[in-house]
Amino acid sequence: GQQLNQSPQSMFIQEGEDVSMNCTSSSIFNTWLWYKQDPGEGPVLLIALYKAGELTSNGRLTAQFGITRKDSFLNISASIPSDVGIYFCAGLGDSGAGSYQLTFGKGTKLSVIP
Amino acid sequence: GAGVSQTPSNKVTEKGKYVELRCDPISGHTALYWYRQSLGQGPEFLIYFQGTGAADDSGLPNDRFFAVRPEGSVSTLKIQRTERGDSAVYLCASSLYPRMEQYFGPGTRLTVT
Repeated sequence: GQQLNQSPQSMFIQEGEDVSMNCTSSSIFNTWLWYKQDPGEGPVLLIALYKAGELTSNGRLTAQFGITRKDSFLNISASIPSDVGIYFCAGLGDSGAGSYQLTFGKGTKLSVIP
Repeated sequence: GAGVSQTPSNKVTEKGKYVELRCDPISGHTALYWYRQSLGQGPEFLIYFQGTGAADDSGLPNDRFFAVRPEGSVSTLKIQRTERGDSAVYLCASSLYPRMEQYFGPGTRLTVT
């Protein structure tokens, strides 16, 4: 099936720093979703993107839908300890099974050093 | 409002036993999905329901896995003759309509000994 390449795989940052992570695909997506997963919990939806070039914010989080529709970016500003977790990107295509089967990346594990 | 709920949160079973995992979606959501997540991986699609019918069960690994949603709300994932390789977190998600953002439950961690 489709694969999403998510990078970096993990990152350690100081509290207060900004964070950037991205996701790339060999296929076009119509929808990009960013989730955060804490240990022992299910993924929690952070941001949904529906249009190429779209830039959407949710508090300190900002995500962008790439112009080529093959990539997306997530930025976190002024990180705090509760930002620790695994961030997943996921995509939905425009037709067939890809339009409802979420394709996930492998996640970016974020650690924040106080 | 209430999110997606899943029970049990943890299930330990012996190899060869039968297990049922339950999902209660967000009220009013017509689409329901099951995913499986292995350690260090993103969730992988198993099955999708639109209403009461399984619209796509292509992600089920084999015929030991089966899922139902008889009244178009609660769904049960059933695994027969469990194997150690079935150990994973089973996640349920729902969306208002297909092709819309999906909201996940907390998952059921299944361990087959």
